[in-house]
Amino acid sequence: SAVISQKPSRDICQRGTSLTIQCQVDSQVTMMFWYRQQPGQSLTLIATANQGSEATYESGFVIDKFPISRPNLTFSTLTVSNMSPEDSSIYLCSVLGDRGFRETQYFGPGTRLLVL
Amino acid sequence: DAKTTQPTSMDCAEGRAANLPCNHSTISGNEYVYWYRQIHSQGPQYIIHGLKNNETNEMASLIITEDRKSSTLILPHATLRDTAVYYCIVRARTSSGGGADGLTFGKGTHLIIQP
Repeated sequence: SAVISQKPSRDICQRGTSLTIQCQVDSQVTMMFWYRQQPGQSLTLIATANQGSEATYESGFVIDKFPISRPNLTFSTLTVSNMSPEDSSIYLCSVLGDRGFRETQYFGPGTRLLVL
Repeated sequence: DAKTTQPTSMDCAEGRAANLPCNHSTISGNEYVYWYRQIHSQGPQYIIHGLKNNETNEMASLIITEDRKSSTLILPHATLRDTAVYYCIVRARTSSGGGADGLTFGKGTHLIIQP
């Protein structure tokens, strides 16, 4: 399995500012995913981030709003840019396991964001 | 869109088996059935997955019908800590190059374990 940590665990931000969320994995993984969970809702996939290539965004999400970095096989960042109250959500990092766990996707604890 | 249908909520008595149904009538031959749960304010937790055979691990059992159009997650002895939203998800197996689509979540079943 994979152990995933996220920083910060929560934050309160002012509208118009940006927040960068970090995701660290304890092992090298090829595929990483970023999700959003709005209050009372299920998880929605934002983008897929593979090391060495540009992130692939789902419909409704754009790079200018949610730029993603994937500098190596254990780390990724998601930035929520020019925030508005509608961006208040839990943001979750997820990875696809490697070496015998390739069919299993694991999730981090999430970053709880409140935009005022 | 999610390719599965689950009841919105279920109750189960503590100590009894919790049986959570899932309908995935359009599942294709290369798609796995996954179960995750999300306890309030935490990230989703992987429970179990299967392709066509029944599976069992330390957390649960997964029963998949022969036609693969539905499945049941069984928590054999439910405790209060099993209260959570349970998600049934189908996804194609990873490619030979290791690529896969991200999981697509539906609304899940809110399982409430009653003392």
